This record gives sequence, structure tokens and C-alpha cells, in this order.
Amino acid sequence: DADVTQTPRNRITKTGKRIMLECSQTKGHDRMYWYRQDPGLGLRLIYYSFDVKDINKGEISDGYSVSRQAQAKFSLSLESAIPNQTALYFCATSASTSGGDEQFFGPGTRLTVL
Amino acid sequence: RKEVEQDPGPFNVPEGATVAFNCTYSNSASQSFFWYRQDCRKEPKLLMSVYSSGNEDGRFTAQLNRASQYISLLIRDSKLSDSATYLCVVGLRTARQLTFGSGTQLTVLP
Repeated sequence: DADVTQTPRNRITKTGKRIMLECSQTKGHDRMYWYRQDPGLGLRLIYYSFDVKDINKGEISDGYSVSRQAQAKFSLSLESAIPNQTALYFCATSASTSGGDEQFFGPGTRLTVL
Repeated sequence: RKEVEQDPGPFNVPEGATVAFNCTYSNSASQSFFWYRQDCRKEPKLLMSVYSSGNEDGRFTAQLNRASQYISLLIRDSKLSDSATYLCVVGLRTARQLTFGSGTQLTVLP
């Protein structure tokens, strides 16, 4: 079984719709992250959370919100999706006990906003 | 200037070749350095950490030059299975984040 899972894996939606992407992990890690990946731009950090009560904006948080429902769950919401949010979204986890540097990624969610 | 810069490639090399990738980073306070590998449409996975003294893992050798703010990855005796995108990643503990380069694409040809 995968240690970091993301649902859905693919989603096509329309401009203005609210979308939630979910991430769950069984690694027991305290830190979780959301990234988006666009061709030629690499991975960019949207939000990160170091524990259930700690939520931080990343490089590109505008248009997104997150919720850390439990240590194992971190969801990303697009309140009103727009076409330039079309991208591949990755959730990742890391453990503060190991210095928090190595990150483990979920399989990704491919989101298309029409 | 991007915080982490890589030559995007693509690098097309024959099996058995030696290939080297370079990466530069802009923040001199960076403290942790990694190479990740990403297969097409898959998630990134850690290939190796990069230590100040340089380190080797089988056919892969990583080196760090702090003075020049430069990281390298050398792959010897390339295999078809090495075909992937290689991401240079830099961390700054005070920022509690990792910064990813946009990746270098490698194709190993039979």
C-alpha cells in the first residue's frame, strides 16, 4: 500500500467551481506539504503544515486554502477554480525527527480547469 | 534569477555513457542539498543527498561546491532505466522549506 495517497488522481472541472484535493499518509510524519508542478517551472510550494495547529503559506498560496484535519490528512481547496490553476498537484510529507529534509511524495493529482 | 537553476536538457546519451548534470543555487545560506528523480507523470523520489565532502552511491556521484554555490550529479555507465528528469533541490532550515529546480531531462538510448 502507498504511504502517501492523493484523491482524486485526475479531475476536470469548470471555471468558478470549488475543488478539494485530499492527501492522506500512513508514514506517521508530522510535516505535510502541497506543491504544484507546471512544465518548465518545477515544483512550487503552495502551503505547508508542521503539525495540526501549524499552517503556513508557501510561494504561491493565492487562490488556495488548506485544512489539516489530522496529523495524517492535509487537504487543499480551490475556492473558485480558474484555468491557470491547471497543473499537476503533489502532496508530500516529511518527519521533523529526521531533520525534515527528505520529503516523500504522493502520486499526484492532475487537475484541469476549463 | 531563479533560486535553483538547472540546464533543462534534454540530454540524450547512449547506454554506458557517463553524463553530468549541474545545478547552481542563489542563497549562500542554504544548508541541505539533494538530487531527486522524477519519472514521466510520476512523483519525485529522493535519489541521494549531497554532502560537503561529496558522496557516491553505486554509479551515482554527487558533489557540492559551497564557494561557487554549485551542485553536480555524475552518472556512470548509464542504463536505459536511468531515463528520467533529475531535480536539484536545496533547503534552508530557517525557511523550513525545500526549493526545487525545474529539472534536467535525461534519455538513455539503446
